[in-house]
Amino acid sequence: EDQVTQSPEALRLQEGESSSLNCSYTVSGLRGLFWYRQDPGKGPEFLFTLYSAGEEKEKERLKATLTKKESFLHITAPKPEDSATYLCAVQAWNNNDMRFGAGTRLTVKP
Amino acid sequence: ETGVTQSPTHLIKTRGQQVTLRCSSQSGHNTVSWYQQALGQGPQFIFQYYREEENGRGNFPPRFSGLQFPNYSSELNVNALELDDSALYLCASSRISGDNYGYTFGSGTRLTVV
Repeated sequence: EDQVTQSPEALRLQEGESSSLNCSYTVSGLRGLFWYRQDPGKGPEFLFTLYSAGEEKEKERLKATLTKKESFLHITAPKPEDSATYLCAVQAWNNNDMRFGAGTRLTVKP
Repeated sequence: ETGVTQSPTHLIKTRGQQVTLRCSSQSGHNTVSWYQQALGQGPQFIFQYYREEENGRGNFPPRFSGLQFPNYSSELNVNALELDDSALYLCASSRISGDNYGYTFGSGTRLTVV
């Protein structure tokens, strides 16, 4: 069964303090790995899709990387507005289900 | 470009009742997926509709059912509500089934069952 585990569950950073979020996964044939941002009371907002090991994508202060077993979301010099829950999800070739992790709740203090 | 809109935003129902949640997909998207998100958890896949047909289903009982209309909007129906059905219900649309560009989510319907 496809599984996604995210760590840590919660992360508190000072503004400007860079860090990384981890997403470990097992999937029977990876079609894509997705990163989303979710603010309280709102739906997830799409950030990145990664398709194969070695791939990297960047958007402002965020950079996502992918290996055969895990993905990292690197946050460089975060700002308070980066505070949110970050969700990782995988999709396999043999179904249309996106399997989500429980998320990492990031708080950035000014 | 319009996003995904869901209605209502909040709903309180009594155990045993039935509920219908609605979703208008993003313009140009023909696939709609529904997810249930319990507090502090990631979204869980309920089912997906493509061209008005169910196109995959998660581990949810038959009392969870859906429809997709010719304009690609969708409904989620839940019968015989249970307390554990209390959650945020999310609708997501995409261009084709299994679109790798990432789904566009609505803001969700917060359902409380008492």
